[in-house]
Amino acid sequence: AQSVTQLGSHVSVSEGALVLLRCNYSSSVPPYLFWYVQYPNQGLQLLLKYTSAATLVKGINGFEAEFKKSETSFHLTKPSAHMSDAAEYFCAVSRPSSGGYNKLIFGAGTRLAVHP
Amino acid sequence: EPEVTQTPSHQVTQMGQEVILRCVPISNHLYFYWYRQILGQKVEFLVSFYNNEISEKSEIFDDQFSVERPDGSNFTLKIRSTKLEDSAMYFCASSEGGDLQPQHFGDGTRLSIL
Repeated sequence: AQSVTQLGSHVSVSEGALVLLRCNYSSSVPPYLFWYVQYPNQGLQLLLKYTSAATLVKGINGFEAEFKKSETSFHLTKPSAHMSDAAEYFCAVSRPSSGGYNKLIFGAGTRLAVHP
Repeated sequence: EPEVTQTPSHQVTQMGQEVILRCVPISNHLYFYWYRQILGQKVEFLVSFYNNEISEKSEIFDDQFSVERPDGSNFTLKIRSTKLEDSAMYFCASSEGGDLQPQHFGDGTRLSIL
């Protein structure tokens, strides 16, 4: 079975500081991994995805994530936080499916606060 | 940019009543999903739907739940006899299909059961 663990339900950083949101996964097969962001009263927006191509994945809004198989990790980073980055971030895993659909298994989420 | 739209944004229903949550997926998408998020908990997969049939469902998706694509644009989730524990945010998602295609989510419907 697949699962995702996000370490830290709340992370607080200063504007301009490095953002690091941690995600570890468990999967019996090579996984697909995703980061989604949720702003207040909105749906989930895809930030980036890993689908077995490059291990360093660049996403929108300056975020990137690195797939490390040896550590079963897919941590999300951004060099310099902006106030508009304050949101909840979800890591998700799925596995390749011959049916063309991919059920997402989500982590519990990390709420990022950015203070001046 | 095309988006998934969900209505209503908030639904309040008495326990035991039927409720239908509506979604309009992105027009060229072929795969449709429902997820839910109980307050303070993880987003959980409920069901996936393709070619007018359920392709996978979770343990949560019992006989009280059903999905339907009644026409070429809408995708609905019906709960026949709501329970207090059905109170949650329900998200609809759609994708073009294929493993590499991401799911696009709507803004959700907050369902409150009284």
